[in-house]
Amino acid sequence: ETGVTQSPTHLIKTRGQQVTLRCSSQSGHNTVSWYQQALGQGPQFIFQYYREEENGRGNFPPRFSGLQFPNYSSELNVNALELDDSALYLCASSRTSSLYNEQFFGPGTRLTVL
Amino acid sequence: AQSVTQLGSHVSVSEGALVLLRCNYSSSVPPYLFWYVQYPNQGLQLLLKYTSAATLVKGINGFEAEFKKSETSFHLTKPSAHMSDAAEYFCAVSAGGTSYGKLTFGQGTILTVHP
Repeated sequence: ETGVTQSPTHLIKTRGQQVTLRCSSQSGHNTVSWYQQALGQGPQFIFQYYREEENGRGNFPPRFSGLQFPNYSSELNVNALELDDSALYLCASSRTSSLYNEQFFGPGTRLTVL
Repeated sequence: AQSVTQLGSHVSVSEGALVLLRCNYSSSVPPYLFWYVQYPNQGLQLLLKYTSAATLVKGINGFEAEFKKSETSFHLTKPSAHMSDAAEYFCAVSAGGTSYGKLTFGQGTILTVHP
């Protein structure tokens, strides 16, 4: 069983640019959540996708957007990058959207904004 | 809204000693609680979860946690620390409402194990 994978592993962008991060969910999972983990902090929920629809959003501005595809893989897009967007971006998949289902995390994408 | 507080950003123990990592939560509804571990340059791995069944939950690698509603706590323990336990540990609560499925994490506790 293949786990959650993310690409790229590292990325360097400059302020004002746009970035797309990708996530492949674990086999059999239809729900993907994205989290931002700043250095020295716990992960913060960005949003969740369930069966290709956004299913909950945290306190992030609209320049953070996402997609989920029919195969349940997902993209996180960030427009107009700011220095504070530098962080580890984690993708997590789960068997379905529920309060108690385990979320399986990928290794993350480290984004640096200069 | 839910929140999690982890007491102690750094905990240091000797190999073979008791590990105790503290977590207190705030929730207006019965919570679902989780402990995750993060090794350097890796994602998060689930250690254990509380889903309103037994209050004492056993997880992987010898860890366990006890849900205490009266104290709003979910502390993580391990009787005997091993060098391989050195990592960062996160307590999390599962939310409902408009952020359904959202995990709210604490700030994390870095565990150091000395030989």
